[in-house]
Amino acid sequence: QSALTQPASVSGSPGQSINISCTGTSSDVGGYNYVAWYQQHPDKAPKLTVYGVSNRPSGVSNRFSGSKSGNTASLTISGLQAEDEADYYCSSYTSTSQYVFGTGTKVTVL
Amino acid sequence: EVQLVESGGDLVQAGGSLRLSCAASGFTFSRSWMHWVRQAPGKGLVWVSRITDDGSSTIYADSVKGRFTISRDNAKNTLYLQMNSLRAEDTAVYYCATGGQGYLHHWGQGTLVTVPS
Repeated sequence: QSALTQPASVSGSPGQSINISCTGTSSDVGGYNYVAWYQQHPDKAPKLTVYGVSNRPSGVSNRFSGSKSGNTASLTISGLQAEDEADYYCSSYTSTSQYVFGTGTKVTVL
Repeated sequence: EVQLVESGGDLVQAGGSLRLSCAASGFTFSRSWMHWVRQAPGKGLVWVSRITDDGSSTIYADSVKGRFTISRDNAKNTLYLQMNSLRAEDTAVYYCATGGQGYLHHWGQGTLVTVPS
């Protein structure tokens, strides 16, 4: 199972909006509404940020939103804040009942 | 509050074995599917394995199939990962996590496994 493709890095100024893409295939991202996004700060455990393509867990800011079109999912962070600087990973359930993560995106707040 | 505490990580020679544990509290462990995920130093997340709530069904990443075994003891609220025939490429921080429908919800802090090349 190949990793889902994400851009290596994305940056933005405070208050701006940024988008992170996550491209897979019809056997994972495109085939199921089981795409999730995780935020990971340095030396910390990942934290669930979005699940089921566009749902936010309790306690996650509504500045984080998710969407999907075909084989590509996206995470949008609006009103970018310094605390959003972290690595972000997408994941998807797959047709072989396994899971696959994305390659990861480093978000930098300028 | 959900708590997951991994333990058992160590330095082990190639070809050796290790068993990781994940102690769970703050939720009904016996009703939760569980996962293991690993992250090599400076690299991305890689899903390793999943087990159903009653332990009747397990699934593995191709890279560990036949070498790793996931199991659980619901009476002890503990998840395990038995790792055999370890390789240098298995070096990573190993996280346990609770499973939702298509996502991994709560994560532990991880335990480091080092297999020198």
